Amino acid sequence: QVTLKESGPGILQPSQTLSLTCSFSGFLLSASSVGVGWIRQPSGKGLEWLATIGWEDVKHYNPSLKSRLTISKDTSNNQVFLKITSVDTADTGTYYCAHSAGYYDGYDYFDYWGQGVMVTVSS
Amino acid sequence: DIRMTQSPASLSASLGETVNIECLASEDIYSDLAWYQQKPGKSPQLLIYNANSLQNGVPSRFSGSGSGTQYSLKINSLQSEDVATYFCQQYNNYPRTFGGGTKLELK
Repeated sequence: QVTLKESGPGILQPSQTLSLTCSFSGFLLSASSVGVGWIRQPSGKGLEWLATIGWEDVKHYNPSLKSRLTISKDTSNNQVFLKITSVDTADTGTYYCAHSAGYYDGYDYFDYWGQGVMVTVSS
Repeated sequence: DIRMTQSPASLSASLGETVNIECLASEDIYSDLAWYQQKPGKSPQLLIYNANSLQNGVPSRFSGSGSGTQYSLKINSLQSEDVATYFCQQYNNYPRTFGGGTKLELK
């Protein structure tokens, strides 16, 4: 059974760095073709893909935020991390991590999602 | 970036009705398209991938079709539990992009 769960600081101030953790079970990030992605959603709005990481440390970033994003993983502890630097109020929203079974093959859709973690950027 | 335009933005339909939601890509995405359902307060759930493949466990009243730049999600015999917002996503090119969503309500 594949499960993912996000954790984060809840609230932070503008200009700080947001650090998010995705803890997962039911699959191995060392398995071929598997990836874990981060997607965010401002309240009441649409979905924005941020980044995905796979087995051999292959990564893809959304160019609109690339300079501020860092995705990494701890394969032995089944965790994926996302850091976003210099946050502002526009970064407020729900952040999801999600499993992609076909990342390496280019079939980068998300078949399992975490419950999401709400992040508020406010002074 | 590939722009994904969904229509309509909102939709009201009756129980038992057939519903169609459209997704238009700004360029050919070669059927690299997924559909998700998001119920209020919940995470998105995958319904369709590769434009027309039904994800395991998804009711057969959901179906996807299309090619090139035009895709659609069809819900046959609308049920009350189908009230949700629906999103399309392309995975043909980076960055992966989503449509703006279609909010489906009961009439």
